Amino acid sequence: GENVEQHPSTLSVQEGDSAVIKCTYSDSASNYFPWYKQELGKGPQLIIDIRSNVGEKKDQRIAVTLNKTAKHFSLHITETQPEDSAVYFCAAEPVDGGSQGNLIFGKGTKLSVKP
Amino acid sequence: DSGVTQTPKHLITAIGQRVTLRCSPRSGDLSVYWYQQSLDQGLQFLIQYYNGEERAKGNILERFSAQQFPDLHSELNLSSLELGDSALYFCASSVFKSDTQYFGPGTRLTVL
Repeated sequence: GENVEQHPSTLSVQEGDSAVIKCTYSDSASNYFPWYKQELGKGPQLIIDIRSNVGEKKDQRIAVTLNKTAKHFSLHITETQPEDSAVYFCAAEPVDGGSQGNLIFGKGTKLSVKP
Repeated sequence: DSGVTQTPKHLITAIGQRVTLRCSPRSGDLSVYWYQQSLDQGLQFLIQYYNGEERAKGNILERFSAQQFPDLHSELNLSSLELGDSALYFCASSVFKSDTQYFGPGTRLTVL
C-alpha cells in the first residue's frame, strides 16, 4: 500500500525566512496530494492541495510542487510569520479500488517561526 | 471553522467501557471519514462511509464500529476500551467518494 515519508520532523526559522517541507510517496498511481496545518488543540486544516496533472500550485505565500517521476512533493512557505507556527502534514490519496478517497499521512513537521 | 462538528470534545472513561463519538458533516457532504491520531502512529485512517454505506476500511480494530445515518451524521463506537485507545479521533467529510476532505475539531479520548 501507499507510504508517505515527511521531512524534516521539526523546522525552526526566523520570521520572514522561507520554510520548505518535503514528502515522498511510494505508490506511483496516487494522484492527489493535500497539505494540512494543525494548530494545538485543533483539527487539521487544509491549506493547499495539488493533483497529479499539475506540477505547481500557488496561493499567496504558500506553494506546492509535485515531481511525479521522483514521487515527491514539497510545501513552500515564503515570508513566514509567527502565526505560521504549527504542525504541517502532507498526505497522498492512493488510487487502489476501495482505498480511493482515503488519505495516507506523513508523520508531520513541527514548524516554529521565531519573531 | 470547517463546518464539520464533533461531539463530545473530551471524553474520559475507564478500561473496558464503551463510548460513542458523533460527527456531523458539512452541509451537502455525502462522505464521512474517521481518523485516529496518536503520538506514535500519527494520523491513521479508520473507516469511510458514503451516503449511508461503508465504502472503505483502514486500520480499524474489530472492537470499533461505525455507521452513517440517513441524515448523514456518523457515529464511531469504541468498545472494550484499552489504555492504548487513548487518542484524538477526527471526523472529516467530503462531497463525493473521493474529494477534498475537511476535518472537524476532534474528540480527545482518555482511557484510564
